[in-house]
Amino acid sequence: QKEVEQDPGPLSVPEGAIVSLNCTYSNSAFQYFMWYRQYSRKGPELLMYTYSSGNKEDGRFTAQVDKSSKYISLFIRDSQPSDSATYLCAMRDSNYQLIWGAGTKLIIKP
Amino acid sequence: GAVVSQHPSWVICKSGTSVKIECRSLDFQATTMFWYRQFPKQSLMLMATSNEGSKATYEQGVEKDKFLINHASLTLSTLTVTSAHPEDSSFYICSARGPGQGLNEQFFGPGTRLTVL
Repeated sequence: QKEVEQDPGPLSVPEGAIVSLNCTYSNSAFQYFMWYRQYSRKGPELLMYTYSSGNKEDGRFTAQVDKSSKYISLFIRDSQPSDSATYLCAMRDSNYQLIWGAGTKLIIKP
Repeated sequence: GAVVSQHPSWVICKSGTSVKIECRSLDFQATTMFWYRQFPKQSLMLMATSNEGSKATYEQGVEKDKFLINHASLTLSTLTVTSAHPEDSSFYICSARGPGQGLNEQFFGPGTRLTVL
């Protein structure tokens, strides 16, 4: 079993829809939870990171962490075609080791 | 914002040759650089971590003699794939972090696509 599970998709939604991207994990030692966006043939860029459980909002993006369920989510409101990319979750434990999900390919249809 | 560049963006080489990939931090001093490999539809796999002026720390299963990493300055790290083989074909991405930047902050380069024939 992988430490971080992420559905590779693709996830295809119409423009304007609310998108929900998720990761589950098995290591309860993870403390920091990050979401990266990666456009095709580009390096990842950090979107948001959260510490411990709770919600964090930044514009159209909301990151949610439920440590009791070992489940994290990224919500995108009013999705745009420019949001089409692969979204990777990543988690860090107390030893600062960064563990990545496989990424979910998101397609926003105009 | 912090910018990291990589060169070349893509390279095709013959089996048995060596390929050097450069990673540069353009507007900050990168005390730590990371090298990742990403196969299609798979997550990033950390290959090694390098701190300026010291030897790189390789992840388990990564051959240090095959993937030579040099971090000789605060703005440049190089990855040399020696005696490349077709199975080394992949997307190689570097990231960098500078002093004062949080442990969760890594700025990624655009990646280098290596194809070994």
